[in-house]
Amino acid sequence: DTGVSQDPRHKITKRGQNVTFRCDPISEHNRLYWYRQTLGQGPEFLTYFQNEAQLEKSRLLSDRFSAERPKGSFSTLEIQRTEQGDSAMYLCASSWTGAEQYFGPGTRLTVT
Amino acid sequence: DQQVKQNSPSLSVQEGRISILNCDYTNSMFDYFLWYKKYPAEGPTFLISISSIKDKNEDGRFTVFLNKSAKHLSLHIVPSQPGDSAVYFCAAVSGAGSYQLTFGKGTKLSVIP
Repeated sequence: DTGVSQDPRHKITKRGQNVTFRCDPISEHNRLYWYRQTLGQGPEFLTYFQNEAQLEKSRLLSDRFSAERPKGSFSTLEIQRTEQGDSAMYLCASSWTGAEQYFGPGTRLTVT
Repeated sequence: DQQVKQNSPSLSVQEGRISILNCDYTNSMFDYFLWYKKYPAEGPTFLISISSIKDKNEDGRFTVFLNKSAKHLSLHIVPSQPGDSAVYFCAAVSGAGSYQLTFGKGTKLSVIP
């Protein structure tokens, strides 16, 4: 049983560098979500794909952030010119129905 | 503005007793509610959900109750076990569009052996 996987699990980068994270959803799920979680908070929605189409983006997703899901399978989230405020856990989730979403283990980003 | 509120940051319960975790919401458009459990360094794990057309849903030791008029839901765990110690997040969905989840800040449950 393969759940949602994310790579890398941890990333330390210097301020100003670009980083890219990958998410592999559960294979039959057509919906894919990115969330961000900071300390003491619940996950916050960033963006949503249905198949390869990016259908919704949160206002949290500044123009330094871009996400893709090129063939409707895996997805990447890129952050350009990272800032210390980008330090967080980035979570990917997938779903068939929409409401019940299954999360990956997350990528913890630390910007120094 | 927090649309989903979990007002208790932490809760301690003796093993074998009932754990009750509470959640309040403000957005009347929410029509589906979920509870997730999260261990450190892992992603949230789906536990149980409830549609707004129901007032109770049960799955083994876990029961979720929904009071729409009070905009309140609760998760009951009976009996509580040490392995239940984790952070529990309440989440809500509006049924149209992306189904993005809106989460509360979580309640850390500690089950004491």
